[in-house]
Amino acid sequence: EPEVTQTPSHQVTQMGQEVILRCVPISNHLYFYWYRQILGQKVEFLVSFYNNEISEKSEIFDDQFSVERPDGSNFTLKIRSTKLEDSAMYFCASSENRQPQHFGDGTRLSIL
Amino acid sequence: TQLLEQSPQFLSIQEGENLTVYCNSSSVFSSLQWYRQEPGEGPVLLVTVVTGGEVKKLKRLTFQFGDARKDSSLHITAAQPGDTGLYLCAGGGGSNYKLTFGKGTLLTVNP
Repeated sequence: EPEVTQTPSHQVTQMGQEVILRCVPISNHLYFYWYRQILGQKVEFLVSFYNNEISEKSEIFDDQFSVERPDGSNFTLKIRSTKLEDSAMYFCASSENRQPQHFGDGTRLSIL
Repeated sequence: TQLLEQSPQFLSIQEGENLTVYCNSSSVFSSLQWYRQEPGEGPVLLVTVVTGGEVKKLKRLTFQFGDARKDSSLHITAAQPGDTGLYLCAGGGGSNYKLTFGKGTLLTVNP
């Protein structure tokens, strides 16, 4: 069964450094999402992306965050200058027509 | 702000018992999705319900969407240890169907 794949599975970065999280959505899907889950808390929406542009973003998704679909298969989340509070699991999701959304296994981001 | 409350937060039962977990909101959702999440993994989709009053069955799991599309329940019949996991409900809404998640119900089924 097709699945969403995310790399790396674990990323350790110094505070203030840039980090790029990568996702390969399911191939025929058109809608792409990033969510995050801080340890012990709910999964939270960050951003949705459709037709090569951001369609919606949350308050969390400030100027330090950006997303890109550089080619036909990858979908990336960049955090420009990481903060301690950015430590979380980051999940990529995709859908064919907004729902249902299928999730990857996530990238655990640890900021030191 | 849309919120989803799940109850109970923790549930520990014996193999063979039945159980129901709940997902409630004061907001109306266009759809509601149930996921199961294992430690260190992403949420795995179990079912999507979109119509008020809809009931869907997945083997021993029965999902119901409330008539007003504000609440949902998951009933498991004759629970097995393999059912152990974190069950998440997520409401979809808006033009982009961003998901609003509950905190989840952590189910433990003891052999």
